[in-house]
Amino acid sequence: NAGVTQTPKFQVLKTGQSMTLQCAQDMNHNSMYWYRQDPGMGLRLIYYSASEGTTDKGEVPNGYNVSRLNKREFSLRLESAAPSQTSVYFCASGNRGNQPQHFGDGTRLSIL
Amino acid sequence: QKEVEQNSGPLSVPEGAIASLNCTYSDRGSQSFFWYRQYSGKSPELIMFIYSNGDKEDGRFTAQLNKASQYVSLLIRDSQPSDSATYLCAVDRNAGGTSYGKLTFGQGTILTVHP
Repeated sequence: NAGVTQTPKFQVLKTGQSMTLQCAQDMNHNSMYWYRQDPGMGLRLIYYSASEGTTDKGEVPNGYNVSRLNKREFSLRLESAAPSQTSVYFCASGNRGNQPQHFGDGTRLSIL
Repeated sequence: QKEVEQNSGPLSVPEGAIASLNCTYSDRGSQSFFWYRQYSGKSPELIMFIYSNGDKEDGRFTAQLNKASQYVSLLIRDSQPSDSATYLCAVDRNAGGTSYGKLTFGQGTILTVHP
């Protein structure tokens, strides 16, 4: 019962480096989401994929790109990391738009 | 005005008491409402969801929704120290009648239940 799996769990980058955060779900959900969580600000939606083959911007998309590789996998890429992208990143999945979302364990990303 | 706003907290209640967590939202078209619990250093965990006006009960938890007042609350009865966590209110705005699950979260309320 893996649910939503995120890799890596921790990462430290230098400014300007790139990396991809991976997310996979085994619940046969159609929709997947990437959020970031900063202290005192709740979670903010970066990008989402309503279904396989579609992606769209959320509230804070600048500096990020995403790929919905297949129904199970949804990756988030930072092309040129900036200190402002230091955050905890959560991937989530859900079966329909108004159904509850299930979250992965998160990736703690620090950019120096 | 923030789109989703929670009572600022932190909230401290004695063991066995009722904890009341409140959330207001600005978009009158919002259709779906969720409460998540988040322990320190962990991921959000769904507690309750509610779509219709009124109360919805699940064990010690009751969610209350009043769309006219744009208000949703979570009551925790017989609070336990294990309920100590941050509680996140999330709203699905369901823009244009099609919901893509674009949740907007409040900033969270820290609840501490002391023995």
